[in-house]
Amino acid sequence: DAGVIQSPRHEVTEMGQEVTLRCKPISGHDYLFWYRQTMMRGLELLIYFNNNVPIDDSGMPEDRFSAKMPNASFSTLKIQPSEPRDSAVYFCASSFEGGEAFFGQGTRLTVV
Amino acid sequence: SQKIEQNSEALNIQEGKTATLTCNYTNYSPAYLQWYRQDPGRGPVFLLLIRENEKEKRKERLKVTFDTTLKQSLFHITASQPADSATYLCASPNTGFQKLVFGTGTRLLVSP
Repeated sequence: DAGVIQSPRHEVTEMGQEVTLRCKPISGHDYLFWYRQTMMRGLELLIYFNNNVPIDDSGMPEDRFSAKMPNASFSTLKIQPSEPRDSAVYFCASSFEGGEAFFGQGTRLTVV
Repeated sequence: SQKIEQNSEALNIQEGKTATLTCNYTNYSPAYLQWYRQDPGRGPVFLLLIRENEKEKRKERLKVTFDTTLKQSLFHITASQPADSATYLCASPNTGFQKLVFGTGTRLLVSP
């Protein structure tokens, strides 16, 4: 397996625009996590899914953020409208039965 | 909720020495703790998991301890090498068993 695949690797967008981040988890994994990493706050869990169902979205900062997992092999994190303070590296991770988490390479988002 | 504290200052050591990194948790004793390594521009990579009832766990040059009295885990790298230079993250499950909370990480620099 190629591991967790995220796209794009880098995204630069203007304030107010919609941003969509994509993730393909490892085949067979039943948990999917979206994290955000900044220097100030470290790695923060935004939301996680179990068998495509959102379990806990208490880390989602605002209504501007939304996440979906339409099937076991794909998830999206959408920010609409984006703001400069959303600039961060966004990681997707997956695991099997809650074991070790496998992280993607991340998407570096810059909102100007 | 659970909070993970790691020394934010970088740890500089000489090649061949043992590096010791500290992870403290603030609330309830977690069922397990995980340690990850993160290189610049990459996602975290799982290294070790230690359960609450385990005092110590080893993997090659790595050793992790779990002290529930001190609410602390120590991560040791023996015979350190420049290739061990990276940021090391400690993680604990939060109220939800699968909801991992990460510390901000400690950067290790091993000089030749």
